[in-house]
Amino acid sequence: GAVVSQHPSRVICKSGTSVKIECRSLDFQATTMFWYRQFPKKSLMLMATSNEGSKATYEQGVEKDKFLINHASLTLSTLTVTSAHPEDSSFYICSARYGGTAHYEQYFGPGTRLTVT
Amino acid sequence: GNSVTQMEGPVTLSEEAFLTINCTYTATGYPSLFWYVQYPGEGLQLLLKATKADDKGSNKGFEATYRKETTSFHLEKGSVQVSDSAVYFCALSTNNDMRFGAGTRLTVKP
Repeated sequence: GAVVSQHPSRVICKSGTSVKIECRSLDFQATTMFWYRQFPKKSLMLMATSNEGSKATYEQGVEKDKFLINHASLTLSTLTVTSAHPEDSSFYICSARYGGTAHYEQYFGPGTRLTVT
Repeated sequence: GNSVTQMEGPVTLSEEAFLTINCTYTATGYPSLFWYVQYPGEGLQLLLKATKADDKGSNKGFEATYRKETTSFHLEKGSVQVSDSAVYFCALSTNNDMRFGAGTRLTVKP
């Protein structure tokens, strides 16, 4: 089956620094990638949707200048948390979809645990 | 906007019991519907899906039917196993949007 990787799996950073999380589709080309945030014992919250070569579409309430998303190729998307603060500590999950319509399932990465001290 | 409402649980069952997790949705247009499962310490995996009304998705003994008239996609399994213990998420997808329910934690005891 399709595999999506995320790197790093865990990261601890100091307040005020920036952190980059990579999401790769390993064996398929992803036309669309999604970034989610999951709070403890809560559901996934969609942060943004990105199509290769286009600007990401952010959900209401998500600061695009704080959460920079780049989808440079059909197999790689990056999320950069800029000037991180402790409230940004969370579990970030990406997913990738190789079809352009809703009929196609999303394949999820294993997630990245970000802790901001 | 689109949304998913899911029975939150937690749900605790004995092995071989019948499972139902309710899921209803609100959407414009014609979404596809999914159930994802998250086992402890792992990422989300697709369990089953249905892409149009009256479709039934099934996998590993789990079933769900896309009911447009009741806007529902309830998950069922006739006989659960300890290995089914996980968090289950109902989700809907349109071309550029994906919404998840709150997740239901299922614990199956031997």
